[in-house]
Amino acid sequence: AQSVAQPEDQVNVAEGNPLTVKCTYSVSGNPYLFWYVQYPNRGLQFLLKYITGDNLVKGSYGFEAEFNKSQTSFHLKKPSALVSDSALYFCAVRDLGRDDKIIFGKGTRLHILP
Amino acid sequence: ETGVTQSPTHLIKTRGQQVTLRCSSQSGHNTVSWYQQALGQGPQFIFQYYREEENGRGNFPPRFSGLQFPNYSSELNVNALELDDSALYLCASSEWTASEAFFGQGTRLTVV
Repeated sequence: AQSVAQPEDQVNVAEGNPLTVKCTYSVSGNPYLFWYVQYPNRGLQFLLKYITGDNLVKGSYGFEAEFNKSQTSFHLKKPSALVSDSALYFCAVRDLGRDDKIIFGKGTRLHILP
Repeated sequence: ETGVTQSPTHLIKTRGQQVTLRCSSQSGHNTVSWYQQALGQGPQFIFQYYREEENGRGNFPPRFSGLQFPNYSSELNVNALELDDSALYLCASSEWTASEAFFGQGTRLTVV
């Protein structure tokens, strides 16, 4: 079965510093990986995806993610954090079976400290 | 904004009642999925509809049911509400490919 793991419940980063939110995955076959962000009392916003191609994927709001097949990781990164980046971040994988559902990690809360 | 809209945004129901949540998918998307997000958890897949047919279901009891209409909008119905059904219910639409899904803002259901 497909799954993703987000080992950190919370990540604290000072404004202006680089940030990393970790994600590892377990899939059979080629992974279709995503990052979503959720602000308080809101739905999920799509940030970026990896399906194939370049291992460094660029997304919205200056975020990027690095796909590492040997380490089965898909970490979310940003070179310089903003206070407005504070939110809940979800790593996710498409389960390419009959229903093509998205399987989410439990989420990592990112706090950017002014 | 993603173009996926859900209604209502908030709802309070009594245990044992029935509820219907609605979702309008993004233009051009023929697949709608529903997710339940309990407090402090990631979204959990309820079911998916493609061209008005259910084509996948997560680990939810039969009292969770749905519909998809010819215009690809969708409803989620929950019968015999339980306190544990209190959650944020998210609708997502996508094209029938392994592409990203776009989510609505959700419906916050509280069962008392």
